[in-house]
Amino acid sequence: AQSVSQHNHHVILSEAASLELGCNYSYGGTVNLFWYVQYPGQHLQLLLKYFSGDPLVKGIKGFEAEFIKSKFSFNLRKPSVQWSDTAEYFCAVSRTGGFKTIFGAGTRLFVKA
Amino acid sequence: DTGVSQNPRHKITKRGQNVTFRCDPISEHNRLYWYRQTLGQGPEFLTYFQNEAQLEKSRLLSDRFSAERPKGSFSTLEIQRTEQGDSAMYLCASSFERQGLSTPNYGYTFGSGTRLTVV
Repeated sequence: AQSVSQHNHHVILSEAASLELGCNYSYGGTVNLFWYVQYPGQHLQLLLKYFSGDPLVKGIKGFEAEFIKSKFSFNLRKPSVQWSDTAEYFCAVSRTGGFKTIFGAGTRLFVKA
Repeated sequence: DTGVSQNPRHKITKRGQNVTFRCDPISEHNRLYWYRQTLGQGPEFLTYFQNEAQLEKSRLLSDRFSAERPKGSFSTLEIQRTEQGDSAMYLCASSFERQGLSTPNYGYTFGSGTRLTVV
């Protein structure tokens, strides 16, 4: 069965610090990978996605993620975080071909102003 | 805003009562998903529809849970004889996906959820 593991449950950073959130998945076939974000009081939103091509994908608000197939990883990065990036971030995976998406447990990011 | 709409936003019910939630997806989307999220966890898959057909149900969905999507438009999720363990946020999401083994998943649009509290 597919599963998604997020390395950190809580991360606290100061503004301008760099961010990297780890995500590993277990599935050997072709996958689509996602990061979703949930800002306080808002619904889940798609931050970025990968389904083929360049393994370095760029999303909204300066976020990017790198798919490393050999490591089954899809880590999220941002060079310089802002206070407004305070949110919960979910890594997710689905098998190519219209299958359901499986989510990780989430990482809560708090950015200190 | 023509996003995914869920009603009600909050529901408090007594143990043993039945509850029904509604989800109105984005009109062009053919797929509709129900997830459940508890504190400290990510969304857990419950079931999904391709148009009006329910294609998969999770083992989490006991026989007290039933979901429908008549005419492939809105969907309802009913929980019968609620238990305290059913307390959670119930999320609905929709997407447009074509059939096919190589079809990528472009991601979901989520609603704001219905928070259920069983007392």
